[in-house]
Amino acid sequence: AQSVSQHNHHVILSEAASLELGCNYSYGGTVNLFWYVQYPGQHLQLLLKYFSGDPLVKGIKGFEAEFIKSKFSFNLRKPSVQWSDTAEYFCAVKARGSGTYKYIFGTGTRLKVLA
Amino acid sequence: DAGVTQSPTHLIKTRGQQVTLRCSPKSGHDTVSWYQQALGQGPQFIFQYYEEEERQRGNFPDRFSGHQFPNYSSELNVNALLLGDSALYLCASSTDIGAYEQYFGPGTRLTVT
Repeated sequence: AQSVSQHNHHVILSEAASLELGCNYSYGGTVNLFWYVQYPGQHLQLLLKYFSGDPLVKGIKGFEAEFIKSKFSFNLRKPSVQWSDTAEYFCAVKARGSGTYKYIFGTGTRLKVLA
Repeated sequence: DAGVTQSPTHLIKTRGQQVTLRCSPKSGHDTVSWYQQALGQGPQFIFQYYEEEERQRGNFPDRFSGHQFPNYSSELNVNALLLGDSALYLCASSTDIGAYEQYFGPGTRLTVT
């Protein structure tokens, strides 16, 4: 069955530290990939997405992610985090079949950035 | 421009009861998807509605059903509630059935006692 794994459930960083959150999926077909963020007290927002083309995608607030097809990975990165990046981050995959598709979310990574 | 809205915000029901949750999509959106998010978990896809029909469905029993109205708003119905149905129910809207970019609502917190 298709699945999405986020290996880091909780991450604590100091401001200005670099961030990398892992995301791996299990599905051999066509995928679209997403990272969503949920700030405290707010609803899910799209951070960035990959459909095709350049495997390095840039999103809002300085985030980027790289799609490595051979590794079934879509890791999220930010060179220097800020206190305001404290949030929960979800990786999601749209697994496309013949005329059908499924959306699969990972379990999320809670990021806490210390000022 | 209003985003995705959901009602009610919170709901408490008893096992065996039925519940209806409502969602109004973002202006200009015609596709609505529903998700269940249990505590500590990521959202799980329930189903998607487009042109008033269920077009895609996740691994949820028939107790979960829905409806989409001509104005694109949608309802999620859950019958014979179980304790395990307690969760945050999220609605997401998009501009096409492909749902490449979904906008999520704040969710309805359902507690089943």
